Amino acid sequence: QVQLQESGPGLVKPSEILTLTCTVSGGPISGSYWSWIRQSPVEGLEWIGYINYSGSANYNPSLKSRFTLSVDTSKNQFSLKVNSVTAADTAVYYCARSARTAMGPYYYYYMDVWGKGTTVTVSS
Amino acid sequence: EIVMTQSPATLSVSPGERATLSCRASQNVFSNLAWYQQRPGQAPRLLIYAASTRATDVPARFSGSGSGTEFTLSISSLQSEDFAVYYCQQYSSWPPEFSFGPGAKVEIK
Repeated sequence: QVQLQESGPGLVKPSEILTLTCTVSGGPISGSYWSWIRQSPVEGLEWIGYINYSGSANYNPSLKSRFTLSVDTSKNQFSLKVNSVTAADTAVYYCARSARTAMGPYYYYYMDVWGKGTTVTVSS
Repeated sequence: EIVMTQSPATLSVSPGERATLSCRASQNVFSNLAWYQQRPGQAPRLLIYAASTRATDVPARFSGSGSGTEFTLSISSLQSEDFAVYYCQQYSSWPPEFSFGPGAKVEIK
């Protein structure tokens, strides 16, 4: 079955760039959308955005435009870049598969596979 | 932005009893509502999608209902492994956006 594994630095300094990568194993990255979600005591679970294998991405409109998603199909990976991090970006970051199911004329969307999460701390 | 709220924030239940959690959306999300369970130190786990469809390998004691703006997750007979935090999540197609509720903790009474 599909498994996801996040990787990246556990500690980042304020104003620096944070890059996290999610490696997809057990299945191809094509055919699905792939999300990043973060969790902090202040914000709870916060969806950051999703991307598909062709690079088409959508972002949480409530977040500022510091977030960029990218995909590398040759490595079966997708990535999150966060510019100019602050202490407010301290969180556990999860990658997840955003599944879509058709039931009758409607589509339903949910996260059916999650990585274990990686803790990121922003501190000097 | 669609805002999700959950109640109660904490529910104290004895093992074997029934638990009922509520989730409300600030706008009509039709049936595009999912429920997740999160145990300490673990990632969320999908329980229910499309408001009432159980995910693979989810026990039948979990059930979801509702549509529009009001949703419910019920756990018919709580087992020890069910004491956890539960989140609801909606998806809206325009603009494309997921959002989660603040979570509801089910604790042992």
